[in-house]
Amino acid sequence: GDSVTQMEGPVTLSEEAFLTINCTYTATGYPSLFWYVQYPGEGLQLLLKATKADDKGSNKGFEATYRKETTSFHLEKGSVQVSDSAVYFCALTMDSGGYQKVTFGIGTKLQVIP
Amino acid sequence: KAGVTQTPRYLIKTRGQQVTLSCSPISGHRSVSWYQQTPGQGLQFLFEYFSETQRNKGNFPGRFSGRQFSNSRSEMNVSTLELGDSALYLCASSPRGGSAYEQYFGPGTRLTVT
Repeated sequence: GDSVTQMEGPVTLSEEAFLTINCTYTATGYPSLFWYVQYPGEGLQLLLKATKADDKGSNKGFEATYRKETTSFHLEKGSVQVSDSAVYFCALTMDSGGYQKVTFGIGTKLQVIP
Repeated sequence: KAGVTQTPRYLIKTRGQQVTLSCSPISGHRSVSWYQQTPGQGLQFLFEYFSETQRNKGNFPGRFSGRQFSNSRSEMNVSTLELGDSALYLCASSPRGGSAYEQYFGPGTRLTVT
């Protein structure tokens, strides 16, 4: 079946450091890929998405490129802030029999220290 | 537009009891999905409803059930509660089916089973 693999963390970085959170996937077909973020005490919210190979999603300084050849969708940010501390989820969706099937990664906790 | 709302936000129940959680999607959204989030298992898909029909179901026992009303509001029910059902239950809505559409999450209902 479909799966998403990402490091669980926590990842601890100093403010203004470079961030990479790796995400790789397994899917039969051509999924859409997403990064969601969950701040403490809240539900998930969409950070960025890419719906086809070589697409780059970007938002709030975060970027991720859909790499079909390496089945990856790594999240990057050039300079993290304390306010970026949250849990980040990589996810894929596939059309399956007329409905969408969503698979989430385990989530990576990011802690940014001043 | 108002976001996804979930009620109640917090709930404490005793083993063996049953519980009903409610979700109101964003206006115009016809797809509602439910997830269980726990520290050990991450985000696990429960089921998805679209136009009052269950389209997809995760690997949960029959004690977990749901329904969707004609106004797209959804409820999930858990009968004969077990300690392991303690979790954050998240509801997410989407405008329609199709893997390119992101999901919009509510803040969740924190269920504690004692």
